[in-house]
Amino acid sequence: GENVEQHPSTLSVQEGDSAVIKCTYSDSASNYFPWYKQELGKRPQLIIDIRSNVGEKKDQRIAVTLNKTAKHFSLHITETQPEDSAVYFCAASNSFSGPPNNLFFGTGTRLTVIP
Amino acid sequence: DAGVIQSPRHEVTEMGQEVTLRCKPISGHNSLFWYRQTMMRGLELLIYFNNNVPIDDSGMPEDRFSAKMPNASFSTLKIQPSEPRDSAVYFCASRADISSYEQYFGPGTRLTVT
Repeated sequence: GENVEQHPSTLSVQEGDSAVIKCTYSDSASNYFPWYKQELGKRPQLIIDIRSNVGEKKDQRIAVTLNKTAKHFSLHITETQPEDSAVYFCAASNSFSGPPNNLFFGTGTRLTVIP
Repeated sequence: DAGVIQSPRHEVTEMGQEVTLRCKPISGHNSLFWYRQTMMRGLELLIYFNNNVPIDDSGMPEDRFSAKMPNASFSTLKIQPSEPRDSAVYFCASRADISSYEQYFGPGTRLTVT
């Protein structure tokens, strides 16, 4: 099965700086890579996702890059704000004939943005 | 839209007792997922349903766990008998349809087994 590793486990940045979280996956058949944000005591929420037919996707201050050859993908948050503080999870899955069902999650990164 | 609804939000029970967790997916969503979250193992998929039919239950840890979806608006996850190692946050998530990728998570049920 798929194995997703995520680094770092904790990350502290000054407000306004950038944050980068990296994930690697093991199954070369994986082709869908979502990122979820989970605030303390709250539910995980999808913030951005990327499919394997593109190498980069951006949504305002958030971007995700994918390197299929190296089997790794990264989340980039620019101009960080205190409300970005949360645990971020990457995930990987394959979806040959439709949306993915079994999402394999990384272990999470606790991001703290220091005002 | 109220989103995915789970009940109870917190459950404390003694080892050996039966526990039933409940989930109401977003109206009109065709797929439902049960996840377990622990510090040690992170987020793990337990089982998912498409159109009320269980598709993959390979993530269910053992026979003590069972899940049902009697109709499109209700699902249960049952643990019988419960054990301390079952203590975790259990999330239910739903997805709109076969062409949709995003899973919407419920608020979770924090289960503590003493």
